[in-house]
Order: sequence, then C-alpha cells, then structure tokens
Amino acid sequence: GENVEQHPSTLSVQEGDSAVIKCTYSDSASNYFPWYKQELGKGPQLIIDIRSNVGEKKDQRIAVTLNKTAKHFSLHITETQPEDSAVYFCAAGEDNAGAGSYQLTFGKGTKLSVIP
Amino acid sequence: KAGVTQTPRYLIKTRGQQVTLSCSPISGHRSVSWYQQTPGQGLQFLFEYFSETQRNKGNFPGRFSGRQFSNSRSEMNVSTLELGDSALYLCASSTRQGAYEQYFGPGTRLTVT
Repeated sequence: GENVEQHPSTLSVQEGDSAVIKCTYSDSASNYFPWYKQELGKGPQLIIDIRSNVGEKKDQRIAVTLNKTAKHFSLHITETQPEDSAVYFCAAGEDNAGAGSYQLTFGKGTKLSVIP
Repeated sequence: KAGVTQTPRYLIKTRGQQVTLSCSPISGHRSVSWYQQTPGQGLQFLFEYFSETQRNKGNFPGRFSGRQFSNSRSEMNVSTLELGDSALYLCASSTRQGAYEQYFGPGTRLTVT
C-alpha cells in the first residue's frame, strides 16, 4: 500500500518569512496530492491539491510543487501570518475517476507556528 | 452550502460499551469516508461508503462498522470499546468515491474510560 512520509514534524518561522513542508510517497500509481490545514478543535480543511499531470500550482500565498520522478511534493507558504499557525497534512492517493476503491493516505502532520 | 456535520461532538464511554457516530455530508455529495485521528498514528482511513455500499476498508478490526443511508448520511459503530479507541473520529464527504477532493467535518471526540 501507499506510505507517505512528511517532514518536518514541527516548524517555527517568523511572521513574513516562508515555510516549506515536504512529503514523499511510495506508490507510483498515486496521482492526486492534497494538502490539509487543521486548526485546533476543527477538522482538516482542504487548502490546495495537485495532480500528477501538473508540476506546480499556486493559490495566492500558497503553492505546491510535485516531482513525480522522485516521488515527492512540497507545500510552500510565503509571507506567513499568525493565522497560518496550524497543523498541515499532506496526502496521496490514486484518483481514477471513482472507478476503483482507492483512498487517501496521510502524512503524520507538521505543526507550523508563526511567531509575530 | 452547509458543510459536513457530525454528531455528537463529544462522547465519553466505558470499556465494553458500544457507540454510534453520525455524519451528514455536504448536500449533493454521495461519498462518505471515515477516519480515526490519534496523536500517535495520525489520520487513519477506516472505510468509505458510496451509494449505500462500502467501497473501501482500512486495516481496522471488525468491531468498527458503518453504513450509509439513501440520503447519503452515514453512521459509524464501534462495538466492545477499548481504551485504545479513544480518538477523534472524522468523516469526510466527496462528490465521488476514491481519492478525490474530500471535505471534513469537525469530528467526534470519543473518550473511552
């Protein structure tokens, strides 16, 4: 089955600096890679996702890059703000338009602290 | 559009009891997946339901079961509770089955004493 490794487990940055979280996956069949943000007392929130036919995707201050050959993908947050403080999870899975029974496998999470 | 709702939000049970958790997906979403979240193991997939059928199952004992109704609402049941079942149980809904955009509810915090 799929195995997703996520690093670092904790990350502290100064407000305004950039944060980078990295994940590796094992199953070359995986083609869908979402990132989730979980704030205290809440469920994970989908913040950005990328598919294997795309190398990079941006949404305002958030970007995700994918290297399918090396089987790793990263989340980049620029100009960090205190409200970015949360736990971030990466995940990987094979999306075949619902024809099969595949699920997402999650990394263990990164606790990001943005220091004002 | 209303998000995924889960009830109850908090639950305290005793070892050996059973518990039923409920999840209402986003309107129009037909897939519901359940996850167990613990500090040690992270987010672990329990099972997925689509069109009232279990489509996929994670590596959990048979004490964990679920079902989905015709309106896509889902319930999860855990029988003969163990201390190790204490966790945050999350459900996520999606428009279709499989590894696709999933939207999570706030979770049910289960404590087993």
